[in-house]
Formats: sequence, C-alpha cells, structure tokens
Amino acid sequence: AQKVTQAQTEISVVEKEDVTLDCVYETRDTTYYLFWYKQPPSGELVFLIRRNSFDEQNEISGRYSWNFQKSTSSFNFTITASQVVDSAVYFCALSDRGSTLGRLYFGRGTQLTVWP
Amino acid sequence: GAGVSQTPSNKVTEKGKYVELRCDPISGHTALYWYRQSLGQGPEFLIYFQGTGAADDSGLPNDRFFAVRPEGSVSTLKIQRTERGDSAVYLCASSLMPSGRAATQYFGPGTRLTVL
Repeated sequence: AQKVTQAQTEISVVEKEDVTLDCVYETRDTTYYLFWYKQPPSGELVFLIRRNSFDEQNEISGRYSWNFQKSTSSFNFTITASQVVDSAVYFCALSDRGSTLGRLYFGRGTQLTVWP
Repeated sequence: GAGVSQTPSNKVTEKGKYVELRCDPISGHTALYWYRQSLGQGPEFLIYFQGTGAADDSGLPNDRFFAVRPEGSVSTLKIQRTERGDSAVYLCASSLMPSGRAATQYFGPGTRLTVL
C-alpha cells in the first residue's frame, strides 16, 4: 500500500529562520517518484520538485533544498532564511508503478506560517 | 502559455441536484487528472485520463461520479444526485504523457463545490 505521512500539521517561524518540513513515505515498489507542492492561500497547487527513487542526490534550488534518504523512507524539505511569502500549505506526494504512474498519493500537508 | 483552467470557480447547489465541473488542460498535455480536496486534507485522486480514455478511475467514490474527455482535451466531471458530503474543492491537473515515468502534474485553481 502507498502512504505519505507529514507528521507536522502546523509550523510557525519568524522570518529568516530555517525550517524543515518532514515527509515519510511507504511503498512496496522499487521504482517510485516523490514530489513537493506548495499551496498558497490562493489555493492553486504549485509544483516544486520531482525526484525518482534511483536518484538519492540531494538538491538545492535557491533557498530550497531537499534531502532524500531511502534508508529512512524520507524526503524532507528545508527552506533557508524563510520569508513571509513562503507561508503556505506544503504537500509531499508519491507515485509508484503499483498504482499506474498517473496517480499521486498526497500527505495531509504542513501549514507553514512565517511571521515578519 | 496558459495554465490549467477550471470553471466555474465556485458552485453552490442543493442536495440532489446534478452538477458539471469543467477542466481545460495545458495545451499539448495528453494526460489529465481529477482530484478532490476536503478542508484540511491533501488532494485525493479520483480519475486519470490518457487521451480520451480513463486509464484509472479507481478513485471515483461511487457511481454518482462520472468523468468524460471526448476529444482528448477538455474534461467534464459530472456528479449526480449531489450530497452534502460531496462539498469540497475539485482539482484538475494535466501533464505530458507519463510513458513509463511519472510526469509532473500541473494543477488548476480548482472548483469549490458547496452542496446545501
């Protein structure tokens, strides 16, 4: 069975703090894909990153970085020097071969609030 | 280019009525997806189209829900005999054809359905 767990329901930080959003996934497949999406107050889901299960290299994009660890089935997301505009709900999602590759399994999301 | 568009943005209906929700995917995207997002939850998969055919409709909750994509572009999600529990935001996404890998899904702004 496929499952994505985002244990942190809400996180509040003050601007310029670093913050890490946790994501733990479950799948029986050896081939799978992991995603992060951002949902600002406007409601539209914005794609941030996609990683496949064969590529464990960490990735950095500006203030964003992702730490993928197969040994712990985790795909954590860190925002460095957070800004008020980072306030949003962040979703981690999984897609694997057992469910046709079209289907995304989402976690419940983490509400991040960045205070000025 | 234009993103995924969904109409209407809001729909209020009475219990027992029939509703249609429309999705216009990104031009050139052959795969189209519908998800449903309840308050405080992550999106839940409903159905996935490759071209005109439904490749996976296992997420449709019951036979009151039906979706079509007759020409392989615009899709309509149809809900018969609406119930209050159908109230949610209905999200549409599109992608290039996955063809063996999970393609990145790009989401529309959603239709907020309220059943009174």
